[in-house]
Amino acid sequence: AQTVTQSQPEMSVQEAETVTLSCTYDTSESDYYLFWYKQPPSRQMILVIRQEAYKQQNATENRFSVNFQKAAKSFSLKISDSQLGDAAMYFCAYTSGGGADGLTFGKGTHLIIQP
Amino acid sequence: GAVVSQHPSWVICKSGTSVKIECRSLDFQATTMFWYRQFPKQSLMLMATSNEGSKATYEQGVEKDKFLINHASLTLSTLTVTSAHPEDSSFYICSAPRAGVWEQYFGPGTRLTVT
Repeated sequence: AQTVTQSQPEMSVQEAETVTLSCTYDTSESDYYLFWYKQPPSRQMILVIRQEAYKQQNATENRFSVNFQKAAKSFSLKISDSQLGDAAMYFCAYTSGGGADGLTFGKGTHLIIQP
Repeated sequence: GAVVSQHPSWVICKSGTSVKIECRSLDFQATTMFWYRQFPKQSLMLMATSNEGSKATYEQGVEKDKFLINHASLTLSTLTVTSAHPEDSSFYICSAPRAGVWEQYFGPGTRLTVT
């Protein structure tokens, strides 16, 4: 079975600074997708960034970027120029099956932004 | 982006009664929908996959007779918690993948409290 591990229950960063959230996963599949989701206090899941395993290039979305190390099964999220609105729970997630299967989530990292 | 709605957003029921939660894809058709459960301060756990026109598939450890899933149409899936008990109190979230788009769209969630 696939597993997703987030080893940082909580992270704190100063506003405007950069923070990196860690995620590792375990799978025997060759074709899969990895995601970072943000869950603010409203509890609505918001997609932050997505990475297809077959793509070597790391995904970027404005201030958000990933470091995808396929051989190491590592998928970290870097948030640059942190803003107060970035404060939330961040979940790393995995799916295979062409992206049409359910997601396996990590336990999450609570990100605190210090003003 | 695509929109998924859930109803109700919050429900309180008495122990032993049943409660139905609806998940709708508002602007796209979804032959598959997923149901997740999230306990306080925990991650999302996949409960089951709802399939239009066929039986739902349940994750290991999820009681299919307790959590009845019906995918009534291409835009509606329902989760019925039968004979609810206080331990069923949780946050239930649905999601739907959109064909051709490697992303799942999440509903806003339903908070179930069983007294």
